[in-house]
Amino acid sequence: AQSVTQPDIHITVSEGASLELRCNYSYGATPYLFWYVQSPGQGLQLLLKYFSGDTLVQGIKGFEAEFKRSQSSFNLRKPSVHWSDAAEYFCAVSPHSGGYNKLIFGAGTRLAVHP
Amino acid sequence: EAGVTQFPSHSVIEKGQTVTLRCDPISGHDNLYWYRRVMGKEIKFLLHFVKESKQDESGMPNNRFLAERTGGTYSTLKVQPAELEDSGVYFCASSPGQGTDTQYFGPGTRLTVL
Repeated sequence: AQSVTQPDIHITVSEGASLELRCNYSYGATPYLFWYVQSPGQGLQLLLKYFSGDTLVQGIKGFEAEFKRSQSSFNLRKPSVHWSDAAEYFCAVSPHSGGYNKLIFGAGTRLAVHP
Repeated sequence: EAGVTQFPSHSVIEKGQTVTLRCDPISGHDNLYWYRRVMGKEIKFLLHFVKESKQDESGMPNNRFLAERTGGTYSTLKVQPAELEDSGVYFCASSPGQGTDTQYFGPGTRLTVL
């Protein structure tokens, strides 16, 4: 069965520091991969997605992620974190079977940003 | 353009009662998804509508949950009777077409069963 692992439940960084959130997946075929963010009181917002092609994907808000097939990973990065990035981040995989996009999520990583 | 809306934002009910959650997708979106996040766990898929038809309901936990999508517009998710383990945040998402379309999520309904 497909699964997504986000090993870090909580991460705290200082404003201006770099950030990497880890995501590993288990899936037999080439996956569709996503990162979503949920700010307090808001719905999930798509940061970026990978379907094929260039393995380094640029997203909104200065985030990027790199797909590494050999490591079954899709880690999210940002070179300099802003206080407004404090939120919960979710990695997700889509089996995309039959052309439909059911998402399988990791447990989430909650990011705190110190001033 | 209005986003996905969900009502109510919070609901507190007693065990054994009935609750109905509503989702209004983005206008024109054929696909509507329901997900649920139980406290501290991952967000899990419940079911998927294409217009008014259930495409995939493999994630529905049991027959106490009933989802409908009248006329392919808004959707309701009814829990009857509610149990303690039904507590969590219920998310709705919609997308315009098939395959790789981005899913747009609503803010969720937080359900607490006492």
